[in-house]
Amino acid sequence: AQSVTQLGSHVSVSEGALVLLRCNYSSSVPPYLFWYVQYPNQGLQLLLKYTSAATLVKGINGFEAEFKKSETSFHLTKPSAHMSDAAEYFCAVRMNSGYSTLTFGKGTMLLVSP
Amino acid sequence: DAGITQSPRYKITETGRQVTLMCHQTWSHSYMFWYRQDLGHGLRLIYYSAAADITDKGEVPDGYVVSRSKTENFPLTLESATRSQTSVYFCASLLGGVGTEAFFGQGTRLTVV
Repeated sequence: AQSVTQLGSHVSVSEGALVLLRCNYSSSVPPYLFWYVQYPNQGLQLLLKYTSAATLVKGINGFEAEFKKSETSFHLTKPSAHMSDAAEYFCAVRMNSGYSTLTFGKGTMLLVSP
Repeated sequence: DAGITQSPRYKITETGRQVTLMCHQTWSHSYMFWYRQDLGHGLRLIYYSAAADITDKGEVPDGYVVSRSKTENFPLTLESATRSQTSVYFCASLLGGVGTEAFFGQGTRLTVV
């Protein structure tokens, strides 16, 4: 079984501030982990993914995430928020074993103020 | 056009009517998924498919039917639409294999009145 918990349905930051979006996962086998972003009225776009190589993963638009097995976490960060980062962010998990679905967290809306 | 496309983008239907949402991908990805997105619930899996003629229920399958006779198509049918099925529906495809990610369509906004 697999599941994802995203802490905070909304996160507000000022432009230029650090962005931290939290994701904790549960998986019975080593997981693949993903962060997706959704802009209004659009589909989901991949930001980055963890596939058991480097634990620090860099993605598009300056985002990165660190896989911490001991904490079962995969938090998303960006050093300096930009107004264009305002969107909804989803963490997702897929088990590293054969036939597996992709399970999403409930999402975190990132609000960026000037 | 290459990619994954959903049709229609917007649909209004009446309670009790049958509705089919279409999904087509051009990559020959093995896996395909249907999710619904509702405020406060994130994306919930309705049905998925690992290959043609192989489908399985997800978290919220009641009231929905899927088929996958061809690898590239994965239609979702609401047999008798209810207001609780008003939602945004997303189709996704995934190649399969080590760490491959899912690619999403633009979504279908369905309103049941």
